[in-house]
Amino acid sequence: SQTIHQWPATLVQPVGSPLSLECTVEGTSNPNLYWYRQAAGRGLQLLFYSVGIGQISSEVPQNLSASRPQDRQFILSSKKLLLSDSGFYLCAWRRVMNTEAFFGQGTRLTVV
Amino acid sequence: AQSVSQHNHHVILSEAASLELGCNYSYGGTVNLFWYVQYPGQHLQLLLKYFSGDPLVKGIKGFEAEFIKSKFSFNLRKPSVQWSDTAEYFCAVKVNRDDKIIFGKGTRLHILP
Repeated sequence: SQTIHQWPATLVQPVGSPLSLECTVEGTSNPNLYWYRQAAGRGLQLLFYSVGIGQISSEVPQNLSASRPQDRQFILSSKKLLLSDSGFYLCAWRRVMNTEAFFGQGTRLTVV
Repeated sequence: AQSVSQHNHHVILSEAASLELGCNYSYGGTVNLFWYVQYPGQHLQLLLKYFSGDPLVKGIKGFEAEFIKSKFSFNLRKPSVQWSDTAEYFCAVKVNRDDKIIFGKGTRLHILP
C-alpha cells in the first residue's frame, strides 16, 4: 500500500532562518506531488505542484520554493523565513490515472 | 483560473438534524469534484468523489453529494448528523486539462449532542 511521510510534525523557527520541509511517498511511482498551506478561514492554498522530477509549478509567488530531486521526494524550502510564513503545511500525492489526492499529516510551522 | 466557493464557513446543528453544505466552482469544462473531511487532530481524508456518470454520489459515513452541472454545484448532504460528524469539510475541484486540485475555504461543522 502507499504511504506518505511528512516531517517534521512541528517546527519553530526564527525570522530570517532557512526552511526545509520534506515529503516522501512510498509504494507508488511517478506520482503527482503537491504542497498546500492551510490557514484558519482560508482553506487549503495550493503552493506548488509537480508532475515529475525537476518539474515544479508555482501557484502563488511568495517567499517559498519547492524542489523534486527524486521521483517520490518533494521539498519545500525558504532561504529566509518571514512571520507570515507561519502556518500548517500539507503535502499530498496523486496517481496520474486516479485523480483523488492523499494527504500527509502536515507540519505546523511557527515563525517567531 | 478555476475557484471553489463554500458558502457556509461555520455551521452548528443538533444531532439528528439534516445537513447540506454548499459548494460552487468556476470552470466551464469537465471537472472532477471532491469532498474531504478533517476531524479534530487528524489528517485530511476523502469523503466522496465525482468523476463521471451518476451525478448523485455516495461516500463514507452516510454522506452523499449531487453534481449539478448547470449550477456548477456539488453540495454535500447527510440526512441525520451525529456528534462524531463534528469536523471541517472541504470541497475541491480538479479540471481535466490540468493537474491542480483547488480547494475551497472549508466549512466548520459543529454538532451539538
